[in-house]
This record gives sequence, structure tokens and C-alpha cells, in this order.
Amino acid sequence: GAVVSQHPSWVICKSGTSVKIECRSLDFQATTMFWYRQFPKQSLMLMATSNEGSKATYEQGVEKDKFLINHASLTLSTLTVTSAHPEDSSFYICSARDSGGRDQYFGPGTRLLVL
Amino acid sequence: DQQVKQNSPSLSVQEGRISILNCDYTNSMFDYFLWYKKYPAEGPTFLISISSIKDKNEDGRFTVFLNKSAKHLSLHIVPSQPGDSAVYFCAATFGQAGTALIFGKGTTLSVSS
Repeated sequence: GAVVSQHPSWVICKSGTSVKIECRSLDFQATTMFWYRQFPKQSLMLMATSNEGSKATYEQGVEKDKFLINHASLTLSTLTVTSAHPEDSSFYICSARDSGGRDQYFGPGTRLLVL
Repeated sequence: DQQVKQNSPSLSVQEGRISILNCDYTNSMFDYFLWYKKYPAEGPTFLISISSIKDKNEDGRFTVFLNKSAKHLSLHIVPSQPGDSAVYFCAATFGQAGTALIFGKGTTLSVSS
């Protein structure tokens, strides 16, 4: 099946630093990628929709200046958490939609811990 | 307002038996539905999907049934295996490319041997 990778899988950083998370579709092209966040014992919360070559669309309540999204190619989207704070600690997951279909495939997730 | 609901937070089944996971939705615009399996600290794994023009889709041990009039879908796993123990999420979407998935809160399936 379709494979989506995320890097890094784990990151620990100091408060105030910026962290970049990469999401790659390895064997298909993804015009659209999505970024989610999951809090403990809760469902996935959509943060933003990333379209290749255009600006991301952010969900209500998600700060676009804090969570910078770049989708520069059909196989790569990046999420940068700027000036991270402890409350940004979470599990971040991306998904990619196959350009030829409607199924979405998820990456393995990135655990962010901000000290 | 929750558009996709999984009303059973957990389900326990014996190995070899059928597991039936249920999902209800409220938005009649949804036209594509997906099921995912998720382990802790991992991303969801795609299992199976169904378009609203169908009422059944089967892939190996997994079958999804869609009842549009009732706005209800179910995932059947037969036979259930201990390795199926995980959280199962139902998701729905509509429209053209770029529309995000709306997830239910998940059902934790436990399959005992």
C-alpha cells in the first residue's frame, strides 16, 4: 500500500526553539496533505490542509504564524512549530491524499516534547 | 456538533469470532467513508473505504457496510485475531480533492485468544 513517512519520529527541544517536521509520500504523488494533532486519549484534530504550490488552509483556532506549513513538492510537506512552548507538546501526524484517488494515508507521527 | 460518531468506546471479542464496529454520521453531504486502525504512538493505518454509491466493500477479512438511509456504516472483521486489537477510527469526507477527513472518536477493540 501507499507509504507516508515522517521525520523525525521523536523530538525534544527547549522552549523558544523552532522544530521542523517533514512528511513525505514515498510511492505516490500527493497534491494535498493534511496535518493533525492528537492529544492523549482524544481523536485526531485537523490543524491545516496543505496544497502543493499554494498557501495552507488553517482550521479555526490554529495560529498560522506559529505552525508554518510548506508544501513545495508533490511528495513533501513540512510543518514548522515556531517558538515552541510546553503546551505545543503533542503527537503530530500528517496524511497524504493520493492525487489519483480519495483514500488518505497517514504517516507514523512525530512526538514533540517541549521542555 | 459531532458529525461522525462512534458510540461504543470499546468492544471485546473472542479470537475467531466476528467483530462489528459501528459508526453513525449526521452530514448527508458525506460521500466517502474510511476506516483506520491505530496503535498508540503510531499514525492510523488505512484499512478499507467505501463510496456512497456502494453499500458494501470487502477486502480480505474486512468488510464495510453502508446504509445511507440510516446514515450508518459498520466494519466487520472476520475472523477476529489478537493482532486486530487496536483503536478503530471511522472517517468521512465529501467533495473534491482537498477536503479533510472528519473522524469519529474511535472504538477500542480487544480480541482475546
